[in-house]
Amino acid sequence: SAVISQKPSRDICQRGTSLTIQCQVDSQVTMMFWYRQQPGQSLTLIATANQGSEATYESGFVIDKFPISRPNLTFSTLTVSNMSPEDSSIYLCSVGQGRLETQYFGPGTRLLVL
Amino acid sequence: SQQGEEDPQALSIQEGENATMNCSYKTSINNLQWYRQNSGRGLVHLILIRSNEREKHSGRLRVTLDTSKKSSSLLITASRAADTASYFCATRDQTGANNLFFGTGTRLTVIP
Repeated sequence: SAVISQKPSRDICQRGTSLTIQCQVDSQVTMMFWYRQQPGQSLTLIATANQGSEATYESGFVIDKFPISRPNLTFSTLTVSNMSPEDSSIYLCSVGQGRLETQYFGPGTRLLVL
Repeated sequence: SQQGEEDPQALSIQEGENATMNCSYKTSINNLQWYRQNSGRGLVHLILIRSNEREKHSGRLRVTLDTSKKSSSLLITASRAADTASYFCATRDQTGANNLFFGTGTRLTVIP
């Protein structure tokens, strides 16, 4: 299994500001993903973080709002830009070694936007 | 939507009893995974069952998969207060997409 850490674990931010969330994995992984979990809801995939190329975004999510970096096989960042209260959610990093394998999740970053 | 449905939405049982949660999904899948989430924290992976498997065990957990009915169940035997959490199923479909499609979750409360 992979050990995943996220920073920060939680934050309270003002409307209009941006927050960058970091995800670090203890081993090289093929696939890295970012998910959002809105209050009381299930998880929704934001994007797949591709190493060395632009992230692949799901319908309803755009790069300008959620820019993602993945400089190597163990690290990725997600930025939530120009935040509004609707962005208040838990953001989770997730990794896997292939489509047919187990997918692991980080501890999440709980974001509250005022 | 490809999101799965879980039932019940909430389940409350006494410590020592068994808890059964069900998951239904809509597409043909490669595998189905069950996760636990404690009170707004990260997801803990419990078990993965592949489309060609019908049943899998891990400790007090038993997972079944019926691909003809597009459904799965998670049984927790001899429940403990520490099992109190939300449980989610997630499916990987056969289209080649990377997405894991999550169910709506079951909130389990185990009363000591």
